[in-house]
Amino acid sequence: AQKITQTQPGMFVQEKEAVTLDCTYDTSDPSYGLFWYKQPSSGEMIFLIYQGSYDQQNATEGRYSLNFQKARKSANLVISASQLGDSAMYFCAMSPGRKDSNYQLIWGAGTKLIIKP
Amino acid sequence: DGGITQSPKYLFRKEGQNVTLSCEQNLNHDAMYWYRQDPGQGLRLIYYSQIVNDFQKGDIAEGYSVSREKKESFPLTVTSAQKNPTAFYLCASSIVGQTFAYEQYFGPGTRLTVT
Repeated sequence: AQKITQTQPGMFVQEKEAVTLDCTYDTSDPSYGLFWYKQPSSGEMIFLIYQGSYDQQNATEGRYSLNFQKARKSANLVISASQLGDSAMYFCAMSPGRKDSNYQLIWGAGTKLIIKP
Repeated sequence: DGGITQSPKYLFRKEGQNVTLSCEQNLNHDAMYWYRQDPGQGLRLIYYSQIVNDFQKGDIAEGYSVSREKKESFPLTVTSAQKNPTAFYLCASSIVGQTFAYEQYFGPGTRLTVT
């Protein structure tokens, strides 16, 4: 079954430290996409970063990077130099490559990140 | 600026009433989606549409209905048949991928409370 697992329900991190949010996935499709979203307390889902299964390099977007380990089926989000505004829920999602799932994302349960001053 | 608008932000209804949530996008995306989120939970797909006048049920479509008469608009009706409609509703859109889905962009959401 296709599945996303986020094992950390909550994390506390000191401001300015780097933080890694875990995400493992399960799919038998050779081609898939992996996404990370941020959901602040306001509720809006904000797209952060994307990694394709055939991408050779790990994706980076500013302070966000995705540590993609294909053999281990993990796609961890790394936030460098955390800021107070990074406090939010973070969701990992996967798009399987099968045509009948072409328009659906499979979502993890999320990790609540709290940055301490 | 391109984006997705949802209105209203907060909505209160009496049990037994149908209610329609608005979603409009000006991103020129072909695909649109409706999700439901309960407190402390992830997202669950209600309906999605890849093209005008066509839509597909998601994982929790019972008690909901949608229409897609225009590319820009994808309203969701929460009917009286929905047993537990109080939730946060998010609308999203994306371009249509050839191999797998592209990233989805979300509106600000509507918090529906039914009493």
